[in-house]
Amino acid sequence: AQKITQTQPGMFVQEKEAVTLDCTYDTSDQSYGLFWYKQPSSGEMIFLIYQGSYDEQNATEGRYSLNFQKARKSANLVISASQLGDSAMYFCAMKSNFGNEKLTFGTGTRLTIIP
Amino acid sequence: SAVISQKPSRDICQRGTSLTIQCQVDSQVTMMFWYRQQPGQSLTLIATANQGSEATYESGFVIDKFPISRPNLTFSTLTVSNMSPEDSSIYLCAVGPQASYEQYFGPGTRLTVT
Repeated sequence: AQKITQTQPGMFVQEKEAVTLDCTYDTSDQSYGLFWYKQPSSGEMIFLIYQGSYDEQNATEGRYSLNFQKARKSANLVISASQLGDSAMYFCAMKSNFGNEKLTFGTGTRLTIIP
Repeated sequence: SAVISQKPSRDICQRGTSLTIQCQVDSQVTMMFWYRQQPGQSLTLIATANQGSEATYESGFVIDKFPISRPNLTFSTLTVSNMSPEDSSIYLCAVGPQASYEQYFGPGTRLTVT
């Protein structure tokens, strides 16, 4: 079974500062993928970034980077130079690379950017 | 990436009735997923729908309550049957395109049951 833990229910960050959202995971699979999604108040789920378990380098997508520490089973999302539009719920998720491809989600972190 | 649309975007329904939610994708995909997000909660997978076979339901979800159709590689429907206020949620479909690790989500259907 897979499990995702997000220990920060809410965070407040000053605009233009960097923010780190924590995510730890548990799995017995050797090959898996880790994801971060953003959910604004509109409810849509926006894919942000992906990290494969065998990727040696941390994934980056624009202002988003994923701090992947495999031995510690952590996959923290780093947002640089935060903007007001970054205020949203953020979900960490994972899936096995074998099996039915379903995503297992964490409980989410509500990020609020303060002007 | 895949472009996904859902209908309706939101609805308010009476308890005891049923609602069918449609999910349309702009490209052929093998696997489609239906998730539920109850108010203030995370997403939970209801079932996986493959074209040409019965949907696979997760623990806690049954076909009589959430029947799913998958008539072709670009379309699926989820029906929420005999609704109660506890079914008030956002229902999202998602797809995992072949040769892609990503999963893309539709805009969701906000359901309120009164």
